[in-house]
Amino acid sequence: DVKVTQSSRYLVKRTGEKVFLECVQDMDHENMFWYRQDPGLGLRLIYFSYDVKMKEKGDIPEGYSVSREKKERFSLILESASTNQTSMYLCASSFNRGVYGYTFGSGTRLTVV
Amino acid sequence: GENVEQHPSTLSVQEGDSAVIKCTYSDSASNYFPWYKQELGKRPQLIIDIRSNVGEKKDQRIAVTLNKTAKHFSLHITETQPEDSAVYFCAASLMLIFGTGTRLQVFP
Repeated sequence: DVKVTQSSRYLVKRTGEKVFLECVQDMDHENMFWYRQDPGLGLRLIYFSYDVKMKEKGDIPEGYSVSREKKERFSLILESASTNQTSMYLCASSFNRGVYGYTFGSGTRLTVV
Repeated sequence: GENVEQHPSTLSVQEGDSAVIKCTYSDSASNYFPWYKQELGKRPQLIIDIRSNVGEKKDQRIAVTLNKTAKHFSLHITETQPEDSAVYFCAASLMLIFGTGTRLQVFP
């Protein structure tokens, strides 16, 4: 089974802090994604990456950046956390461009106070 | 870009009844349509998917139908059971764009 591991299940940060959310997958997937999940809004794509050092903006990239220095790791960075970034963050990976379904991590529930 | 709409947002059925969730998409180039089930506190899990060269796919009690002309696809769950209670998401496109989810509740 593919494993997508997110480093933290729950995280509480203060407004203005720089926050790193880490995601690691162990199946040599090319594609990795970051979504945020909010009630009534479903899953919204923040950023994605098709290859090492490659990144593309999704639907809601404002206030976020990403880093993919190694194929297995995709980091989401909140440069200066704000309360409206309180959410559930889900990482996902896939073998190819939408040809196969995604495998999701367990999610990180981030609260910004 | 792709836009996916999902209905209904909530659905309550009696155990044993059927449940149908519908999604529409906007990009006619989309050719992959998965459905995910997310139980409370857990990650979304792929339950079934369909590609654009197929009109229907079944897996035991679940089925997905695709109408490419009308650009809509549906999830059908027959003989629902309490363990089917979850949030279901549809998605479309090479870069998966998700619907907003349907909370299904199955009452015994």
